[in-house]
Amino acid sequence: DAKTTQPPSMDCAEGRAANLPCNHSTISGNEYVYWYRQIHSQGPQYIIHGLKNNETNEMASLIITEDRKSSTLILPHATLRDTAVYYCIVRRPQGGSEKLVFGKGTKLTVNP
Amino acid sequence: NAGVMQNPRHLVRRRGQEARLRCSPMKGHSHVYWYRQLPEEGLKFMVYLQKENIIDESGMPKERFSAEFPKEGPSILRIQQVVRGDSAAYFCASSPRELRSNTGELFFGEGSRLTVL
Repeated sequence: DAKTTQPPSMDCAEGRAANLPCNHSTISGNEYVYWYRQIHSQGPQYIIHGLKNNETNEMASLIITEDRKSSTLILPHATLRDTAVYYCIVRRPQGGSEKLVFGKGTKLTVNP
Repeated sequence: NAGVMQNPRHLVRRRGQEARLRCSPMKGHSHVYWYRQLPEEGLKFMVYLQKENIIDESGMPKERFSAEFPKEGPSILRIQQVVRGDSAAYFCASSPRELRSNTGELFFGEGSRLTVL
Protein backbone atom coordinates (compact mmCIF):
# COMPACT_ATOMS: atom_id res chain seq x y z
CA ASP A 1 0.00 0.00 0.00
CA ALA A 2 1.18 3.51 -0.88
CA LYS A 3 2.76 5.72 1.74
CA THR A 4 1.19 9.02 2.80
CA THR A 5 2.65 12.27 4.10
CA GLN A 6 0.71 14.64 6.35
CA PRO A 7 1.71 17.76 8.28
CA PRO A 8 2.20 16.90 11.94
CA SER A 9 -0.12 19.61 13.21
CA MET A 10 -2.58 22.29 12.15
CA ASP A 11 -4.74 24.90 13.80
CA CYS A 12 -8.17 26.12 12.79
CA ALA A 13 -10.59 28.69 14.18
CA GLU A 14 -13.96 27.44 15.33
CA GLY A 15 -16.60 27.88 12.65
CA ARG A 16 -14.06 28.05 9.85
CA ALA A 17 -13.32 25.32 7.34
CA ALA A 18 -10.47 22.99 8.24
CA ASN A 19 -8.50 21.80 5.21
CA LEU A 20 -6.23 18.86 5.96
CA PRO A 21 -3.78 17.89 3.19
CA CYS A 22 -2.37 14.49 2.42
CA ASN A 23 0.32 13.64 -0.09
CA HIS A 24 0.27 10.19 -1.67
CA SER A 25 2.45 10.65 -4.70
CA THR A 26 3.10 6.91 -5.15
CA ILE A 27 -0.57 5.96 -5.21
CA SER A 28 -1.51 3.44 -7.87
CA GLY A 29 -4.64 3.32 -9.97
CA ASN A 30 -6.69 0.97 -7.83
CA GLU A 31 -5.81 2.35 -4.43
CA TYR A 32 -8.39 4.17 -2.36
CA VAL A 33 -7.81 7.08 0.00
CA TYR A 34 -9.31 6.69 3.48
CA TRP A 35 -9.57 9.18 6.30
CA TYR A 36 -9.97 8.32 9.95
CA ARG A 37 -9.73 10.45 13.05
CA GLN A 38 -8.95 9.78 16.67
CA ILE A 39 -10.33 12.09 19.29
CA HIS A 40 -8.22 12.06 22.43
CA SER A 41 -8.41 8.75 24.31
CA GLN A 42 -11.11 7.36 22.02
CA GLY A 43 -11.04 4.71 19.33
CA PRO A 44 -10.44 5.81 15.74
CA GLN A 45 -13.48 6.80 13.73
CA TYR A 46 -14.00 6.36 10.01
CA ILE A 47 -14.69 9.64 8.19
CA ILE A 48 -14.73 9.12 4.45
CA HIS A 49 -13.00 7.41 1.56
CA GLY A 50 -12.68 7.86 -2.20
CA LEU A 51 -10.99 6.65 -5.37
CA LYS A 52 -11.06 9.37 -8.03
CA ASN A 53 -14.10 11.54 -7.59
CA ASN A 54 -14.65 14.01 -4.83
CA GLU A 55 -16.81 12.64 -2.07
CA THR A 56 -19.02 14.26 0.54
CA ASN A 57 -20.90 12.91 3.51
CA GLU A 58 -22.40 14.32 6.67
CA MET A 59 -19.00 14.61 8.31
CA ALA A 60 -16.66 15.93 5.64
CA SER A 61 -15.69 16.34 2.01
CA LEU A 62 -12.78 14.65 0.30
CA ILE A 63 -11.13 16.39 -2.62
CA ILE A 64 -8.74 14.25 -4.68
CA THR A 65 -6.52 15.93 -7.26
CA GLU A 66 -6.85 14.86 -10.87
CA ASP A 67 -3.50 13.07 -10.82
CA ARG A 68 -4.52 11.49 -7.48
CA LYS A 69 -1.17 12.29 -5.93
CA SER A 70 -2.71 14.31 -3.14
CA SER A 71 -6.01 14.89 -1.42
CA THR A 72 -7.61 17.26 1.05
CA LEU A 73 -10.08 16.47 3.78
CA ILE A 74 -12.41 19.40 4.41
CA LEU A 75 -14.39 19.91 7.59
CA PRO A 76 -16.66 22.74 6.43
CA HIS A 77 -17.47 24.29 9.81
CA ALA A 78 -15.00 23.06 12.39
CA THR A 79 -16.13 22.80 15.99
CA LEU A 80 -14.14 22.29 19.17
CA ARG A 81 -15.19 18.63 19.08
CA ASP A 82 -13.32 18.20 15.80
CA THR A 83 -10.02 18.55 17.64
CA ALA A 84 -8.37 15.20 16.95
CA VAL A 85 -5.59 13.40 15.09
CA TYR A 86 -6.58 12.85 11.47
CA TYR A 87 -5.13 9.91 9.57
CA CYS A 88 -4.92 9.62 5.78
CA ILE A 89 -4.52 6.01 4.63
CA VAL A 90 -4.10 4.58 1.15
CA ARG A 91 -4.79 0.96 0.38
CA ARG A 92 -5.98 -1.42 -2.29
CA PRO A 93 -9.30 -3.05 -1.50
CA GLN A 94 -8.70 -5.93 -3.88
CA GLY A 95 -5.64 -7.98 -3.16
CA GLY A 96 -4.22 -5.43 -0.80
CA SER A 97 -3.35 -6.02 2.79
CA GLU A 98 -6.18 -6.89 5.07
CA LYS A 99 -5.17 -4.31 7.61
CA LEU A 100 -5.24 -0.54 7.75
CA VAL A 101 -1.79 0.91 8.42
CA PHE A 102 -1.92 4.14 10.38
CA GLY A 103 0.83 6.74 10.08
CA LYS A 104 1.44 9.64 12.44
CA GLY A 105 -1.46 11.71 11.13
CA THR A 106 -2.17 15.42 11.57
CA LYS A 107 -3.07 16.75 14.97
CA LEU A 108 -5.82 19.30 14.32
CA THR A 109 -6.56 21.81 17.05
CA VAL A 110 -9.74 23.84 16.69
CA ASN A 111 -9.48 27.05 18.67
CA PRO A 112 -12.41 29.06 20.06
CA ASN B 1 -27.12 -1.66 17.42
CA ALA B 2 -24.32 -1.68 19.94
CA GLY B 3 -20.86 -0.81 18.74
CA VAL B 4 -17.65 -2.68 19.37
CA MET B 5 -17.45 -3.39 23.08
CA GLN B 6 -14.14 -3.72 24.86
CA ASN B 7 -13.54 -4.61 28.46
CA PRO B 8 -12.09 -3.88 30.79
CA ARG B 9 -11.66 -0.22 29.90
CA HIS B 10 -8.84 0.06 32.37
CA LEU B 11 -6.65 -2.70 33.71
CA VAL B 12 -3.77 -2.50 36.16
CA ARG B 13 -1.33 -5.36 36.47
CA ARG B 14 1.97 -5.91 38.24
CA ARG B 15 4.97 -7.13 36.32
CA GLY B 16 4.76 -10.85 35.69
CA GLN B 17 0.98 -11.09 35.87
CA GLU B 18 -1.34 -11.90 33.00
CA ALA B 19 -3.62 -9.48 31.22
CA ARG B 20 -6.73 -10.54 29.31
CA LEU B 21 -8.51 -8.05 27.12
CA ARG B 22 -11.87 -8.84 25.60
CA CYS B 23 -13.54 -7.54 22.48
CA SER B 24 -17.12 -8.15 21.35
CA PRO B 25 -17.48 -7.10 17.71
CA MET B 26 -20.52 -5.40 16.32
CA LYS B 27 -23.47 -7.66 15.67
CA GLY B 28 -23.00 -9.54 12.43
CA HIS B 29 -19.26 -8.84 12.24
CA SER B 30 -17.00 -11.85 12.02
CA HIS B 31 -13.68 -10.07 11.43
CA VAL B 32 -11.69 -8.63 14.31
CA TYR B 33 -8.51 -6.57 14.38
CA TRP B 34 -6.35 -5.64 17.37
CA TYR B 35 -4.19 -2.53 17.45
CA ARG B 36 -1.84 -1.22 20.11
CA GLN B 37 -1.12 2.42 20.83
CA LEU B 38 1.82 3.24 23.06
CA PRO B 39 1.74 6.59 24.88
CA GLU B 40 2.20 9.50 22.47
CA GLU B 41 2.56 7.15 19.50
CA GLY B 42 0.42 5.98 16.59
CA LEU B 43 -1.71 2.89 16.20
CA LYS B 44 0.18 -0.28 15.39
CA PHE B 45 -1.54 -3.30 13.89
CA MET B 46 -1.16 -6.47 15.91
CA VAL B 47 -3.42 -9.23 14.64
CA TYR B 48 -6.39 -9.95 12.38
CA LEU B 49 -8.77 -12.79 13.15
CA GLN B 50 -11.86 -14.32 11.69
CA LYS B 51 -14.02 -16.69 13.65
CA GLU B 52 -11.74 -19.46 15.00
CA ASN B 53 -8.88 -18.45 12.69
CA ILE B 54 -5.86 -16.18 12.92
CA ILE B 55 -5.42 -14.63 9.48
CA ASP B 56 -2.55 -12.20 10.03
CA GLU B 57 -0.49 -11.95 13.18
CA SER B 58 2.43 -10.12 11.65
CA GLY B 59 2.24 -7.35 14.25
CA MET B 60 2.13 -9.58 17.31
CA PRO B 61 5.25 -9.86 19.46
CA LYS B 62 6.60 -13.38 19.15
CA GLU B 63 6.46 -14.12 22.85
CA ARG B 64 3.92 -13.62 25.62
CA PHE B 65 1.15 -12.34 23.32
CA SER B 66 -1.67 -14.44 21.91
CA ALA B 67 -5.10 -13.82 20.47
CA GLU B 68 -8.16 -15.89 19.79
CA PHE B 69 -11.65 -15.41 18.41
CA PRO B 70 -13.70 -18.48 19.31
CA LYS B 71 -16.85 -19.60 17.59
CA GLU B 72 -18.84 -18.35 20.55
CA GLY B 73 -17.90 -15.38 22.68
CA PRO B 74 -15.61 -12.41 22.39
CA SER B 75 -12.16 -12.14 20.95
CA ILE B 76 -9.45 -12.31 23.62
CA LEU B 77 -6.02 -10.68 23.55
CA ARG B 78 -3.86 -12.32 26.18
CA ILE B 79 -0.57 -10.98 27.46
CA GLN B 80 1.40 -13.25 29.72
CA GLN B 81 4.06 -12.11 32.18
CA VAL B 82 3.43 -8.46 31.50
CA VAL B 83 6.27 -5.94 31.57
CA ARG B 84 6.17 -2.17 31.91
CA GLY B 85 6.63 -1.77 28.17
CA ASP B 86 3.25 -3.44 27.62
CA SER B 87 1.52 -0.40 29.13
CA ALA B 88 -0.58 0.94 26.28
CA ALA B 89 -4.07 1.36 24.91
CA TYR B 90 -5.28 -1.72 23.04
CA PHE B 91 -7.97 -1.11 20.47
CA CYS B 92 -10.19 -3.66 18.83
CA ALA B 93 -11.97 -3.10 15.53
CA SER B 94 -14.44 -5.18 13.60
CA SER B 95 -15.83 -5.41 10.10
CA PRO B 96 -18.56 -7.50 8.52
CA ARG B 97 -16.39 -8.83 5.73
CA GLU B 98 -12.82 -8.89 4.58
CA LEU B 99 -11.50 -5.39 4.00
CA ARG B 100 -10.78 -6.32 0.41
CA SER B 101 -14.48 -6.86 -0.25
CA ASN B 102 -16.01 -3.92 1.52
CA THR B 103 -15.55 -0.19 1.83
CA GLY B 104 -12.53 -0.55 4.07
CA GLU B 105 -14.39 0.84 7.04
CA LEU B 106 -13.37 -0.52 10.38
CA PHE B 107 -15.45 0.05 13.48
CA PHE B 108 -13.30 0.62 16.55
CA GLY B 109 -14.04 0.14 20.21
CA GLU B 110 -13.09 2.62 22.90
CA GLY B 111 -10.01 0.67 23.87
CA SER B 112 -8.60 -1.04 26.92
CA ARG B 113 -5.88 0.80 28.78
CA LEU B 114 -3.34 -1.45 30.38
CA THR B 115 -1.04 -0.11 33.06
CA VAL B 116 1.77 -2.32 34.28
CA LEU B 117 3.25 -1.35 37.63
